[in-house]
Amino acid sequence: GEDVEQSLFLSVREGDSSVINCTYTDSSSTYLYWYKQEPGAGLQLLTYIFSNMDMKQDQRLTVLLNKKDKHLSLRIADTQTGDSAIYFCAESRPGSARQLTFGSGTQLTVLP
Amino acid sequence: DTAVSQTPKYLVTQMGNDKSIKCEQNLGHDTMYWYKQDSKKFLKIMFSYNNKELIINETVPNRFSPKSPDKAHLNLHINSLELGDSAVYFCASSQDRGHSPLHFGNGTRLTVT
Repeated sequence: GEDVEQSLFLSVREGDSSVINCTYTDSSSTYLYWYKQEPGAGLQLLTYIFSNMDMKQDQRLTVLLNKKDKHLSLRIADTQTGDSAIYFCAESRPGSARQLTFGSGTQLTVLP
Repeated sequence: DTAVSQTPKYLVTQMGNDKSIKCEQNLGHDTMYWYKQDSKKFLKIMFSYNNKELIINETVPNRFSPKSPDKAHLNLHINSLELGDSAVYFCASSQDRGHSPLHFGNGTRLTVT
């Protein structure tokens, strides 16, 4: 996506932590989302964070938001082979019927 | 009990043909969408309907025509298919047109030969 950027690939060893990063450009973004896409499937919502929050934790997932730098990250603790997928970040802007602008996705590969 | 279902899953057709993709959601959501995912996995919104009313119509060739017979259905008809139309098309829905999360279907892989 032109306004939301992610690195394309990330490889980690099983059991390690994964950190997937995302930068966005619109400071008025109100909600930021992480979606997971497994091969041959649609996008599955993992978690989301409101822009007035710095951090959100949900089991193995931790989302960090640095609003000043317009930087969002998703940390997956104890990464498993089942976590291999493409991870998309997305932003939602106020007053926009566009709903979501997606990043280009990060392909996470978990090595045994 | 699939939440957002689209058919067919795969569609292979020749250039110049007309085809349709159907989408249904049983979540009671008000808003439905069509997204196109290209070969590089980039997702771009095409259309959005809220309670059967078109609210987003991105720069999409007019060969693409969405139709929403009721708020649970949003179909996509494509005329005169071209090679560049080959992609995965995703239907999605959300509770409303605000910031509620999107729920996606599993996609329709369209291949134009």
